[in-house]
Amino acid sequence: AQSVTQLDSHVSVSEGTPVLLRCNYSSSYSPSLFWYVQHPNKGLQLLLKYTSAATLVKGINGFEAEFKKSETSFHLTKPSAHMSDAAEYFCVVSGSNTGNQFYFGTGTSLTVIP
Amino acid sequence: GAGVSQSPSNKVTEKGKDVELRCDPISGHTALYWYRQSLGQGLEFLIYFQGNSAPDKSGLPSDRFSAERTGGSVSTLTIQRTQQEDSAVYLCASSLESLAGGLRDTQYFGPGTRLTVL
Repeated sequence: AQSVTQLDSHVSVSEGTPVLLRCNYSSSYSPSLFWYVQHPNKGLQLLLKYTSAATLVKGINGFEAEFKKSETSFHLTKPSAHMSDAAEYFCVVSGSNTGNQFYFGTGTSLTVIP
Repeated sequence: GAGVSQSPSNKVTEKGKDVELRCDPISGHTALYWYRQSLGQGLEFLIYFQGNSAPDKSGLPSDRFSAERTGGSVSTLTIQRTQQEDSAVYLCASSLESLAGGLRDTQYFGPGTRLTVL
């Protein structure tokens, strides 16, 4: 069963404007949540992860995400998009109700317009 | 240190042939995962190895798929009698597994093997 939903399959922003990539997950007692980025013809790279510490998580390349338990959300944001941010982004959840598995969202393709 | 490596990077095969895909995890990582990523899709879990425990094979799509992990390190994913729908990128990931409180450690991914079945 799907445990994570990425609400937008494609997001397009202008360079220098904010980025918001949305992710909602199925409730779990203690979820671990991750965002990964996949550039064309490159491997998956971890952007950031939440594992029950601070609810606002800062990652690489200026990205951050906020864990909101009441909304079961873990949206990814960045204040100012850069051309190099164009890629596919995956939200991932794992936890006590997913067994050994990590569940990946279907991905959000981010386009950055010059 | 070295990351997760996979070989071959690309594999083209004919329908009905068997293929073997290899994964070398990061040294010391006890957990190893195989995923499949079809064009425009998210990652589909295939199989999970953790230490000496029996693998979680719940994601394998058919009995044509099998995997083994020798000595707790290198893993091989075998697909028998390949079909065109098996064409995808096969990704391997490893992690230092932590089960305390059900929390999961970071997965580190290899570059993948692109399989094309003609």
